[in-house]
Amino acid sequence: SQTIHQWPATLVQPVGSPLSLECTVEGTSNPNLYWYRQAAGRGLQLLFYSVGIGQISSEVPQNLSASRPQDRQFILSSKKLLLSDSGFYLCAWSAGGGGNQPQHFGDGTRLSIL
Amino acid sequence: QKEVEQNSGPLSVPEGAIASLNCTYSDRGSQSFFWYRQYSGKSPELIMSIYSNGDKEDGRFTAQLNKASQYVSLLIRDSQPSDSATYLCAVNAFPSYNTDKLIFGTGTRLQVFP
Repeated sequence: SQTIHQWPATLVQPVGSPLSLECTVEGTSNPNLYWYRQAAGRGLQLLFYSVGIGQISSEVPQNLSASRPQDRQFILSSKKLLLSDSGFYLCAWSAGGGGNQPQHFGDGTRLSIL
Repeated sequence: QKEVEQNSGPLSVPEGAIASLNCTYSDRGSQSFFWYRQYSGKSPELIMSIYSNGDKEDGRFTAQLNKASQYVSLLIRDSQPSDSATYLCAVNAFPSYNTDKLIFGTGTRLQVFP
């Protein structure tokens, strides 16, 4: 069966520090991968998605970036964190191929910026 | 702007009652519809998928889809306090170009009281 791993579970970072969040998927090949942010009490905001290695689409302008160095690895990065980057970051995967597949979420990373 | 609308709630129902959660969507081309459950502080969990008009039942959950009215609902029979969570409606973005991108509603908070 497929599993998705995200780490760390919680992170406290000072303003201006760099960020790297990692997500890996097991048990499937060539998944579509997604990064979301959920601010406290708010909905899911899609940040990036990827349909293959090295293919990244950005949904909103921001100081975050994403990379997909391997088929089942998705990384979210920032060179300098802002206070507004605080939130719950979720990685998700879908089977792709048909355009009608559900997404499955990792456990998330709760990021607090001080 | 493609949208998915949900009443934010809270929807309060007594234990054992039927909880009815509703969702409308704006894009007539959407083909796939999903319900996710999100407990406080946790990541969303897929509980139902529906692709055709009509009802789909899975245990205590029934999803209902009416594409003509652009309406999808989730019924929870014999509601339990453990069903207390936020329920997210998600609709595939159209056209999807095989990305499985979803548009999420902001969720309805359900409270089941003993």
